[in-house]
Amino acid sequence: EIVLTQSPGTLSLSPGERATLSCRASQSVSSSYLAWYQQKPGQAPRLLIYGASSRATGIPDRFSGSGSGTDFTLTISRLEPEDFAVYYCQQYGSSQGTFGGGTKVEIK
Amino acid sequence: EVQLVESGGGLVKPGGSLRLSCAASGFTFSSYSMNWVRQAPGKGLEWVSSISSSSSYIYYADSVKGRFTISRDNAKNSLYLQMNSLRAEDTAVYYCARVAEGIVATGPFDYWGQGTLVTVSS
Repeated sequence: EIVLTQSPGTLSLSPGERATLSCRASQSVSSSYLAWYQQKPGQAPRLLIYGASSRATGIPDRFSGSGSGTDFTLTISRLEPEDFAVYYCQQYGSSQGTFGGGTKVEIK
Repeated sequence: EVQLVESGGGLVKPGGSLRLSCAASGFTFSSYSMNWVRQAPGKGLEWVSSISSSSSYIYYADSVKGRFTISRDNAKNSLYLQMNSLRAEDTAVYYCARVAEGIVATGPFDYWGQGTLVTVSS
C-alpha cells in the first residue's frame, strides 16, 4: 500500500498570500496518478487537480499542481476567502486509491 | 446534471450488517468506474473500495477486505456496498464517487454524493 504524507498539517495564511502544500508518497506514484481535492465543512470533497498537474473543469488558474515520483505540490498563488479549507492528495496509480491525511489552510 | 445520492446509512450494533446504495443519474452510469470513500467524524478521507464499469475489476482497502462487498447494477444505475461484521471504527460518512474518464478504476473522483452516515455502536 502506498502511504501519502501531507505537510504541513495546518497552514495559517492571510488572503492574498501564496500557499504551498506538500504530498510525499512512500513509493513512486505510477504515471503521476496523483490528485488533489478541496473539502469545506459539511461538504463533499471537490476535485481540483488530477494527473499531478491538470486542473479539473471549472477550477481557477490560481490552483496549480506539480511533481512526480514521490514528491508532489499543490500551490495556490493568491488565497481567496473561499480557499480556506482542508486539502487532500490521493494517489490512484495502484489497486488501492489511498489519500493523504490532509492539510488545513486557515485564516491567519 | 450528474447526481449521486447515497442511502442506507444508520445505527447498527457491532457485528451487524448494513447495505448502502448510491443512485446515479445524469450520466451513462455503465461507462464509469465507481468508488466508495469514507470519512470518520472529524477525520480525513479513507478510500474504501472500487469497481470498474463492467464489474470486471474490484478492489478493497485492507481495512475492509473480507467484510465489505462492492457491487453495481448498471440496469438500475446503482452502486452498492454490503458491509458485514461491522466495527466501531467503521463509523463514518460514506460517499460514493465517480471516477473521471480514464484508464484506472481508483481515481480521480470528479463527482461525489453528499454521503450517508453509518454509526456502529451498542
